[in-house]
Amino acid sequence: NAGVMQNPRHLVRRRGQEARLRCSPMKGHSHVYWYRQLPEEGLKFMVYLQKENIIDESGMPKERFSAEFPKEGPSILRIQQVVRGDSAAYFCASSPTSGDTHNEQFFGPGTRLTVL
Amino acid sequence: AQTVTQSQPEMSVQEAETVTLSCTYDTSESDYYLFWYKQPPSRQMILVIRQEAYKQQNATENRFSVNFQKAAKSFSLKISDSQLGDAAMYFCAYRSAGGGADGLTFGKGTHLIIQP
Repeated sequence: NAGVMQNPRHLVRRRGQEARLRCSPMKGHSHVYWYRQLPEEGLKFMVYLQKENIIDESGMPKERFSAEFPKEGPSILRIQQVVRGDSAAYFCASSPTSGDTHNEQFFGPGTRLTVL
Repeated sequence: AQTVTQSQPEMSVQEAETVTLSCTYDTSESDYYLFWYKQPPSRQMILVIRQEAYKQQNATENRFSVNFQKAAKSFSLKISDSQLGDAAMYFCAYRSAGGGADGLTFGKGTHLIIQP
């Protein structure tokens, strides 16, 4: 069973461009979470999605950031008009709906975004 | 809102010795989950151990064990027989067991150094 997949692993953007980060959850997982890790910091929760629904976006910046988890395909975290402060590692995690591990979140390898 | 505090930015231990990493948290909830994650230089987040707040017995996973003190809101991680491969950032995390707030709240991390 493949783990959580994220791509790209590294992304470089110039200020004002758009960044699209993709996350494919583990097989059988229908819950996806996005986190941001600034240098020398812990991870900060951004958004929690289920298929076609945003459940909790309390950690998302109000502007320029959006997330989706369509019926088919990966979850996408989109950052419009990136600024240098968006440079960070972005992690995706997934969890199953039920079972012994339903309270655990399994993390992907992260996408490191650098804004020039 | 819940907060997680790790008061030790860095800890150092001799190989084969035992080390304890501290974590305290603040919450008004009675039911929740606590986790320790390891982040090696690869930046992959790896679950080390988890604890359900309703369980009095401390969780144990091989060389890793926790000391969960619910009244004191303390959740320390003990690593026995430290190995070079244990060197990493360690993050303590909290998750509500109630509906809605499913995102993890992380501490800022402790950098663990293993001295050969």
